[in-house]
Amino acid sequence: KQEVTQIPAALSVPEGENLVLNCSFTDSAIYNLQWFRQDPGKGLTSLLLIQSSQREQTSGRLNASLDKSSGRSTLYIAASQPGDSATYLCAVRPDSGYALNFGKGTSLLVTP
Amino acid sequence: SAVISQKPSRDICQRGTSLTIQCQVDSQVTMMFWYRQQPGQSLTLIATANQGSEATYESGFVIDKFPISRPNLTFSTLTVSNMSPEDSSIYLCSVRQGGNYEQYFGPGTRLTVT
Repeated sequence: KQEVTQIPAALSVPEGENLVLNCSFTDSAIYNLQWFRQDPGKGLTSLLLIQSSQREQTSGRLNASLDKSSGRSTLYIAASQPGDSATYLCAVRPDSGYALNFGKGTSLLVTP
Repeated sequence: SAVISQKPSRDICQRGTSLTIQCQVDSQVTMMFWYRQQPGQSLTLIATANQGSEATYESGFVIDKFPISRPNLTFSTLTVSNMSPEDSSIYLCSVRQGGNYEQYFGPGTRLTVT
């Protein structure tokens, strides 16, 4: 069974810092990996999708990397802003089946 | 990207009653998914709903407890039946689109059972 772990569980940084969120998964037989953002009491917003054959994806201040063989992904946020405060979720799609396997998320607080 | 709406956005229900959650998508999709997010936990897939066929349930979820309808390619409902406090969760509707199977989520329905 695929296990997805996100470290740290919570993170507080001052505005302007660059930061890295980590995601690890136990089964490397994945189709893709997706990073989401969840604001309190809200649904999920897709941030970045990385196919299993890709190494990284970038969108604005966000960069996600994937090392499939070692079962790791990182989400890099540059020049953090208070508006980045949210929970960030990592999810992997297996090669077979439809279910996304989610981590528990990293709760990020960016202070002014 | 798909735009997904859900109704209701939140509800407080009494034990033993049922609640039906609606999910509407702005484009036709083959597959719709229902997820549950219990307090402090990660999201878990409840079932996959294809139009014109019975929903497929994940281990630990049964049709009697979570009946699902999928009458057309843009709409689905999930009913939470005979509710107990353990059903208090956020229920999210999801679809996938595009050749890379990117997944999109609705805003969720926050259910509290008293």
